[in-house]
Amino acid sequence: AQSVTQLDSQVPVFEEAPVELRCNYSSSVSVYLFWYVQYPNQGLQLLLKYLSGSTLVKGINGFEAEFNKSQTSFHLRKPSVHISDTAEYFCAVSGASGTYKYIFGTGTRLKVLA
Amino acid sequence: EAGVTQSPTHLIKTRGQQATLRCSPISGHTSVYWYQQALGLGLQFLLWYDEGEERNRGNFPPRFSGRQFPNYSSELNVNALELEDSALYLCASRPQGTYEQYFGPGTRLTVT
Repeated sequence: AQSVTQLDSQVPVFEEAPVELRCNYSSSVSVYLFWYVQYPNQGLQLLLKYLSGSTLVKGINGFEAEFNKSQTSFHLRKPSVHISDTAEYFCAVSGASGTYKYIFGTGTRLKVLA
Repeated sequence: EAGVTQSPTHLIKTRGQQATLRCSPISGHTSVYWYQQALGLGLQFLLWYDEGEERNRGNFPPRFSGRQFPNYSSELNVNALELEDSALYLCASRPQGTYEQYFGPGTRLTVT
């Protein structure tokens, strides 16, 4: 079985500061990893994905994530956040069974402070 | 290119009634997924349809069902509504041969 843990439910950070949102996964088989962002009352928007290859993945809006197989982590980072980055961020894992369904983490609410 | 669309945006039902939610995938996407986002429970996989067939379902009772039409649009039906069915229902589509899913804006179902 696969699972995803997002260790921080809320992360407050000042504008223009760097941020890291943590994601750890558990899986006995190869995985595909994703980060999504959800703005209030909206659906999920794909930020970035890791399928294979380079472990450093760059996404939209200046976000990047690093896949670390030994630590089973896929942390999301941004060097300088903006007020508009305030949203909920979800880490998801897929793969294994061939259904391509997502197992989501519980989400991290990023609040950017002026 | 139009994204995934869902209707209605909001739906208010009474306990015991039935709800029907609709989803139109991105053109060319043949797989449709349904997820439930309930307060305190996070995002849970509900159903997967591909090429008109139900391929997989999550840990939900049989009163959650649906179908996929020849044009790949999909319908989620929830029978005998319970208060705890109140949630945001998200539909996602995926093109063949890829792994990422593209989400619609969701339907917020409120059961009173």
